[in-house]
Amino acid sequence: DIVLTQSPVLAVSLGQRATISCRASQSVSISSINLMHWYQQKPGQQPKLLIYRASNLASGIPARFSGSGSGTDFTLTIDPVQADDIAAYYCQQSRESPPTFGAGTKLELK
Amino acid sequence: EVQLQESGPGLVKPSQSLSLTCSVTGYSITSNYWGWIRKFPGNKMEWMGYISYSGSTSYNPSLKSRISITRDTSKNQFFLQLNSVTTEDTATYYCARYPYRDYFDYWGQGVMVTVSS
Repeated sequence: DIVLTQSPVLAVSLGQRATISCRASQSVSISSINLMHWYQQKPGQQPKLLIYRASNLASGIPARFSGSGSGTDFTLTIDPVQADDIAAYYCQQSRESPPTFGAGTKLELK
Repeated sequence: EVQLQESGPGLVKPSQSLSLTCSVTGYSITSNYWGWIRKFPGNKMEWMGYISYSGSTSYNPSLKSRISITRDTSKNQFFLQLNSVTTEDTATYYCARYPYRDYFDYWGQGVMVTVSS
C-alpha cells in the first residue's frame, strides 16, 4: 500500500499562511494527473473534500485554500488562516488500490 | 443536494457481525461509485470498499474475507456487513460518494461503532 506521511501538528497565527505537507512513499501521479486529494475534518463532523487531484478546488470551498505538488510531494496552503480553519487535514491518494489516507495534520493556533 | 446518512447499532459484541446502512438522497446509487471508510480512535482512516453503479464491488485486501457491501436500489441504500468483529473494529464508520473511484466528495455524518462484550 502507498503510505502517506504528514506532520502531526502545525501551529499558525490567524491571518498568516499555513502550509501542510503530504509525502507519498511512491509517485501518485500518472502523466500530468496528480491523484492526491485533501480533506478537512472538525471534531464531531465528517470529513469535507477541499482539493481534488492536487490542485482543484472542490465546490463551495473558499479560494484561500489551494493545493500543489506532483510525484511524491504535495502541499495544501491556507492563506490567510481564519479561525474557522482550525481543524485536522488529511491527504488521500487514489493512484493505487487500496486508496490510503495520511494520518492527518492538526492545525493549531500559536 | 446529495446527502448520505449512516445508520446501525452503536454496540456490537466480539465475534458477531457489524451491519450498517447508508441511505442516499438527492442522487441515485445506480450512478457513480459508493464507498465505506472508517476512522479509528487515534484518527487513522481506512478505506473499506466500494459498490459501483452496476453492483460490482471491491474491497480492501486487509478485510477481504470479512466484508460484504450490497445495495437495495429500490430504497437507494447500500449496506456494509463486517463479520467476526473484534475490539480492533471499533471506529467511526462513514459512507461516501466516490466519483471515478478517485476521491470522496459527499460524506455521511458517520456512526460510531464500539465492539465490546
